[in-house]
Amino acid sequence: NAGVTQTPKFRILKIGQSMTLQCAQDMNHNYMYWYRQDPGMGLKLIYYSVGAGITDKGEVPNGYNVSRSTTEDFPLRLELAAPSQTSVYFCASGTTGKTEAFFGQGTRLTVV
Amino acid sequence: AQTVTQSQPEMSVQEAETVTLSCTYDTSESDYYLFWYKQPPSRQMILVIRQEAYKQQNATENRFSVNFQKAAKSFSLKISDSQLGDAAMYFCAYRSPSGGSNYKLTFGKGTLLTVNP
Repeated sequence: NAGVTQTPKFRILKIGQSMTLQCAQDMNHNYMYWYRQDPGMGLKLIYYSVGAGITDKGEVPNGYNVSRSTTEDFPLRLELAAPSQTSVYFCASGTTGKTEAFFGQGTRLTVV
Repeated sequence: AQTVTQSQPEMSVQEAETVTLSCTYDTSESDYYLFWYKQPPSRQMILVIRQEAYKQQNATENRFSVNFQKAAKSFSLKISDSQLGDAAMYFCAYRSPSGGSNYKLTFGKGTLLTVNP
């Protein structure tokens, strides 16, 4: 019963480096999301996908890219990491058959 | 666009007492879903309770209940018999029922709940 799996759980990046945050779900959900959580700001949507091959921008997409080649996977790519991208990142999934979204355990990313 | 407002950045309650967390939202839709999520120090996002806007009856899950006032666009969470394990950040969230780009959660900024022994 894995649900939504995010890797890694923690990461420290240097300014200018790139990395990919992995997200996989095994519930056959068509919707997947990436959120970032900053202290006192709640969760803000970065990108989302309504199905394989379809992605779109959320509120705060700058500095990120995504792809959705399969139903299960929705990786988030950070290019040229900046200190402003220091945050906790959450991947979530959902389906029209269920009203709530299911979350991964989050990735704490620090850019120094 | 929908907005969700939690006006209480922090709240505290004595163990075994009752506390109410506030949430208001803005929408032009008549049908939608509302949620309360709990985030303990482990960082995991845990669904506490959900409410469908078309249902007039307030949702209840054990010690957790909501006061849903559709006309006032208010959705408060009441925690009865508070326990130390209830200490967490609580987020109110809104979801449109329509599909496509609208089928995403919009969150408030959260309320940090402290439970005092």
